[in-house]
Amino acid sequence: SAVISQKPSRDICQRGTSLTIQCQVDSQVTMMFWYRQQPGQSLTLIATANQGSEATYESGFVIDKFPISRPNLTFSTLTVSNMSPEDSSIYLCSVDISGTENSPLHFGNGTRLTVT
Amino acid sequence: AQSVTQPDIHITVSEGASLELRCNYSYGATPYLFWYVQSPGQGLQLLLKYFSGDTLVQGIKGFEAEFKRSQSSFNLRKPSVHWSDAAEYFCAVGIPGTASKLTFGTGTRLQVTL
Repeated sequence: SAVISQKPSRDICQRGTSLTIQCQVDSQVTMMFWYRQQPGQSLTLIATANQGSEATYESGFVIDKFPISRPNLTFSTLTVSNMSPEDSSIYLCSVDISGTENSPLHFGNGTRLTVT
Repeated sequence: AQSVTQPDIHITVSEGASLELRCNYSYGATPYLFWYVQSPGQGLQLLLKYFSGDTLVQGIKGFEAEFKRSQSSFNLRKPSVHWSDAAEYFCAVGIPGTASKLTFGTGTRLQVTL
């Protein structure tokens, strides 16, 4: 399995500001995914980030609000822009290690964001 | 579109007792099925997965799950629960061809009493 490191692990931010979350993997992976887990709820996929191409966003998520970078095969960032209290969530990075159809996802420990 | 239902929001069991967490899915064919566990302050750890073949799958930490096509279910079981099993458990489905994009259930929080 892969070791997935997310930074920061938690942060408290003021509304209107932006936060960039980093995800580092200890091996090269083709596909990286960003999920959001709102308080007391399940995980929702924000976007898929492939190296060398624009991120693909799920319905309800837009690039202006959640810009994503994927500069190489081991790293990605997710920015939560112009934050409001509704953005308070855990944001999780996940990776598909093998790149094959049968490969399950592995997750980082998440970034717990509180917006005041 | 596919969906996942975990009917039990919160379950409490005594240490040493057996456990069954329910998961039902909605999809027109057989999806890929997963169970993940999330301990407080941690990310998600994969417990087990089903893609095809034997409908009873074994996972880590003594967990197993059984895929029942007729019931569209993939219930997680453990014969004897340990206090360290207290966590949030998520069932997820992946669609063949897009298996890396998972749809998660709302989770079941397991509490273990001593």
